[in-house]
Amino acid sequence: QVQLQESGPGLVKPSETLSLTCAVSGYSISSGYYWGWIRQPPGKGLEWIGSIYHSGYTYYNPSLKSRVTISVDTSKNQFSLKLSSVTAADTAVYYCAKDLGYCDSTSCTYFFDNWGQGTLVTVSS
Amino acid sequence: QSALTQPASVSGSPGQSITISCTGTSSDVGGYNYVSWYQQHPGKAPKLMIYEVTNRPSGVSTRFSGSKSGNTASLTISGLQAEDEADYYCTSYTSSSTLDVFGTGTKVTVL
Repeated sequence: QVQLQESGPGLVKPSETLSLTCAVSGYSISSGYYWGWIRQPPGKGLEWIGSIYHSGYTYYNPSLKSRVTISVDTSKNQFSLKLSSVTAADTAVYYCAKDLGYCDSTSCTYFFDNWGQGTLVTVSS
Repeated sequence: QSALTQPASVSGSPGQSITISCTGTSSDVGGYNYVSWYQQHPGKAPKLMIYEVTNRPSGVSTRFSGSKSGNTASLTISGLQAEDEADYYCTSYTSSSTLDVFGTGTKVTVL
């Protein structure tokens, strides 16, 4: 059974960089699948941040692309999210998830079948 | 901009059937059979209920079914139960550079 667990600071100061890691157990990331980050501001809907393939290919939401970096560490079986220059608008619950589907140069299929429990990140001074 | 439009709320009585719509365009819902649906209870992570328009992941109740007609996808919940009360979101593969891949979300209330 695949399990995902997000970790990282729960409080980040404005203009700084938000950094989160998603540890995967029960499946080797290097075996395949796409892995994604999704966030949800308090009381609002879901927003896809980006996805990464085990080989390192990345796909980002155009609205966040200039500030986002997603990377994968197959030796630790984990993948990470960095979001720079954060503001209060980046306050959200951040989820990592495994994608059943795929991404290509146009889009992804967004079939996230396994999710972490989510971690609340607050941007405040 | 939100590419996929859902009704803000849908309600029904226990045992009834309800349908949630997800309206897009020929660049997303209408053009590809890559629509998925998620259920989210308060304070919980979303759960994949339907993918590829009609497929149910292992463990998802057969009371949940998906379909598509033109640019509109639908999620039907049959035999509505109290535990079905949650928020539901759709997504779709898209050929347009949309900023919002998730639908606007629908709150399902069991009366």
